[in-house]
Amino acid sequence: RKEVEQDPGPFNVPEGATVAFNCTYSNSASQSFFWYRQDCRKEPKLLMSVYSSGNEDGRFTAQLNRASQYISLLIRDSKLSDSATYLCVVSPYGQNFVFGPGTRLSVLP
Amino acid sequence: DAGVIQSPRHEVTEMGQEVTLRCKPISGHNSLFWYRQTMMRGLELLIYFNNNVPIDDSGMPEDRFSAKMPNASFSTLKIQPSEPRDSAVYFCASRQTGLPSGANVLTFGAGSRLTVL
Repeated sequence: RKEVEQDPGPFNVPEGATVAFNCTYSNSASQSFFWYRQDCRKEPKLLMSVYSSGNEDGRFTAQLNRASQYISLLIRDSKLSDSATYLCVVSPYGQNFVFGPGTRLSVLP
Repeated sequence: DAGVIQSPRHEVTEMGQEVTLRCKPISGHNSLFWYRQTMMRGLELLIYFNNNVPIDDSGMPEDRFSAKMPNASFSTLKIQPSEPRDSAVYFCASRQTGLPSGANVLTFGAGSRLTVL
C-alpha cells in the first residue's frame, strides 16, 4: 500500500462547480498535513496547511480526520485558474514530506 | 527573498555522462530536500539534509546517485554515470525546522529537467 493515496482523477468540472478531493495516509505517526498545487511544468506550491479542526481559505476548505487517516480538500465556485494537479502531502514525525500521486483538475468554461 | 534557486533548468546529456545539479536554499532555511518527479512514479524523495547533515538517503536509487551539502547555502546532486531511466525533473526544496506544524512547509525551486539520451 502506498504511504499517501489520492483519487486518481482527472476531474473535469464546469466553472462554478464544487469539487472535493480525498486523500488517505498509512502512517499514523504523521504530524503535519498539507495540500500543494502544481501547474503543468511548474514546481509544487503550497495551497494550504491542514489543521485538526479543519480550516478554510476563501473558496478552499481542508478537513483532517486523524482516526480515519483521511484528508479532504473542497473547492467551491471553481474558476478556470483552479485547473492544476492537487497534491496531498503528509509529514511523518514532522521530518520528511511524503507526496501523494496527485489529482488533476480541469475546470471547463 | 529569491526563493530556492536551482541550476541548470534544463540539461540534455548522453548516457554515461556525469550530471551535476545544483541548489541554493532560501536563506535561513536549515533543511533541504531533493525530489525526483516522473509521470510514472510521481514525486519521490531522494534525500534530505538537516543542518547540512544527510538524515535520510533511503530514496537514492543506487550508488550512481550522490548528494552533498558542504554548507548551509549550497547542495549538489550528482549522477555518475547517467542512464536514460534517470530522465526526470529534479526538484530541490527547503524549509525552516522548529516552526509550528502548520508553518513547517516546503518551498520548492523551479526544478532541473534532465534528459539522458
